[in-house]
Amino acid sequence: TQLLEQSPQFLSIQEGENLTVYCNSSSVFSSLQWYRQEPGEGPVLLVTVVTGGEVKKLKRLTFQFGDARKDSSLHITAAQPGDTGLYLCAGPGFRRGGATNKLIFGTGTLLAVQP
Amino acid sequence: EAGVTQFPSHSVIEKGQTVTLRCDPISGHDNLYWYRRVMGKEIKFLLHFVKESKQDESGMPNNRFLAERTGGTYSTLKVQPAELEDSGVYFCASRLAGLYNEQFFGPGTRLTVL
Repeated sequence: TQLLEQSPQFLSIQEGENLTVYCNSSSVFSSLQWYRQEPGEGPVLLVTVVTGGEVKKLKRLTFQFGDARKDSSLHITAAQPGDTGLYLCAGPGFRRGGATNKLIFGTGTLLAVQP
Repeated sequence: EAGVTQFPSHSVIEKGQTVTLRCDPISGHDNLYWYRRVMGKEIKFLLHFVKESKQDESGMPNNRFLAERTGGTYSTLKVQPAELEDSGVYFCASRLAGLYNEQFFGPGTRLTVL
């Protein structure tokens, strides 16, 4: 069974601080995605990482895919109140024959950035 | 262009009643997915349509859940009869054909079964 564990579950920080969110699995994923979800909305894709060791940057957000493609991290520099939300990692489900299009979601990290 | 829309946004029903959720995907998206998050758990896959055909329904919890996508446009997810454990947020997502295309999610329907 493919599982994605995220840590921490909850994070409350002050504006301007840095933070890192982790997404770990015992399974290999062909790719991993990071989403942000705000109350009353569905998840919105932030980035997809495909290659082991890959690093992608999106303004103050830095995403890394582990070399073994079993884990990923999201680092936010100088967090702002607008970064508040639920951060989810997700990867394609796997079945005999290869990856599928259904997404396996992580347990989520709820981030609150206080002004 | 309109995003994925879902109706209703909230539904409160009693155990044993029937509820039908609707999803309108982005126009032209052949792929449509249903997911669900129950309290305290992660979002889980329910099923996947390609046009009007069920491609993968491995996540459907039991035969009280029936999904349809007649004509390959909008989809409905009916729960009959609803049980307490069906409470949660039901998300729909749609995607263009092509392996690496993004899934776009709707805002979800929050279902509460009393």
